[in-house]
Amino acid sequence: SQQGEEDPQALSIQEGENATMNCSYKTSINNLQWYRQNSGRGLVHLILIRSNEREKHSGRLRVTLDTSKKSSSLLITASRAADTASYFCATKLISVYNQGGKLIFGQGTELSVKP
Amino acid sequence: DGGITQSPKYLFRKEGQNVTLSCEQNLNHDAMYWYRQDPGQGLRLIYYSQIVNDFQKGDIAEGYSVSREKKESFPLTVTSAQKNPTAFYLCASSATSGSSYEQYFGPGTRLTVT
Repeated sequence: SQQGEEDPQALSIQEGENATMNCSYKTSINNLQWYRQNSGRGLVHLILIRSNEREKHSGRLRVTLDTSKKSSSLLITASRAADTASYFCATKLISVYNQGGKLIFGQGTELSVKP
Repeated sequence: DGGITQSPKYLFRKEGQNVTLSCEQNLNHDAMYWYRQDPGQGLRLIYYSQIVNDFQKGDIAEGYSVSREKKESFPLTVTSAQKNPTAFYLCASSATSGSSYEQYFGPGTRLTVT
């Protein structure tokens, strides 16, 4: 069953604007990860935030995590046309027997950045 | 050049035929995963394997089978029992030591069954 719910499902912005995507989850997590998928391709890992962290930065990406609300957001600043892709959050649950590295993916946000 | 390869990129089959999708990795990862993605949808886990000769069912295992005889390889067979097999199939791998479990994905195989 899917744990992650993403919002919005689709987002269209102009180049140079910021894009914010949100992810909510249901059960306690070890970490939360964000992935990017260009159309027809595999996913690429962007950034990981652990359950004891509140904010993390990587280049133009900023991720926040609020474990009390069970939610995370991904902010892409100064967006470019090349940022056009689908973005997925994925949660790693607190260690459960025999679950290993299993991640639970959200439904994704489709971002379109217009030049 | 480390990574995950999936072949073929596009695959066409007639209904009623079994088909095997290939997934190979040279990242020395213990864990491997198969996902199915339908248009406009997220990823649904089919099977995963944490170690050679062991694998577990994911959320939608019915109509699929896997094997893990080698660390580098995790082939997925889509059987004729799978009612709606047309989809985009993604393979991934990850380390199992440490706590991040970041997954590395292959380029995917698009399967069309008619």
